[in-house]
Amino acid sequence: NAGVMQNPRHLVRRRGQEARLRCSPMKGHSHVYWYRQLPEEGLKFMVYLQKENIIDESGMPKERFSAEFPKEGPSILRIQQVVRGDSAAYFCASSRESMNTEAFFGQGTRLTVV
Amino acid sequence: GENVEQHPSTLSVQEGDSAVIKCTYSDSASNYFPWYKQELGKRPQLIIDIRSNVGEKKDQRIAVTLNKTAKHFSLHITETQPEDSAVYFCAAKVPYDSWGKFQFGAGTQVVVTP
Repeated sequence: NAGVMQNPRHLVRRRGQEARLRCSPMKGHSHVYWYRQLPEEGLKFMVYLQKENIIDESGMPKERFSAEFPKEGPSILRIQQVVRGDSAAYFCASSRESMNTEAFFGQGTRLTVV
Repeated sequence: GENVEQHPSTLSVQEGDSAVIKCTYSDSASNYFPWYKQELGKRPQLIIDIRSNVGEKKDQRIAVTLNKTAKHFSLHITETQPEDSAVYFCAAKVPYDSWGKFQFGAGTQVVVTP
């Protein structure tokens, strides 16, 4: 079991470009969470997805950010027209479809906006 | 929604002493409480968890206690070692439809000095 895979590990974008972050959950996991972590800060919930479904996007900024988890392929977090303040580590975690099971984190994508 | 508070934000201990981190949660329906350890530049990793039908769980030098009445849970690390230095996050899983959503505490930076 390869674990939760995120790519790229590091991503540099110029202001105004688009950033696409990918997350492949662990085998058998159908739920994905995305979190943002600023330097020396905690994990801020962004969005919670099931295959083809957004369960909760209450932590997502209303503009420029979107997420999907298609039937086939990885979950994608997309940030359009990036700004310097988007620079952060973005972690995804996956879990099984049940009430009280753990979530496992990917290595994260460190986004730097220059 | 669920709110998880974590204290202290930083904790400095002498090697060999014990460290205790406390978290409180607001939603009495929360039923699963994992703890994650994040070393600098790495992903959060699950170190121990407890479910709501259990009051205490121990794994070598790490233990977690849960008080459902008071809605708080704690992480205890005994005989601390330099490799215990990291940021520790508590989390509570809130029932959400038939699944659950994780809410994290803000984290505790633990520094173990030789």
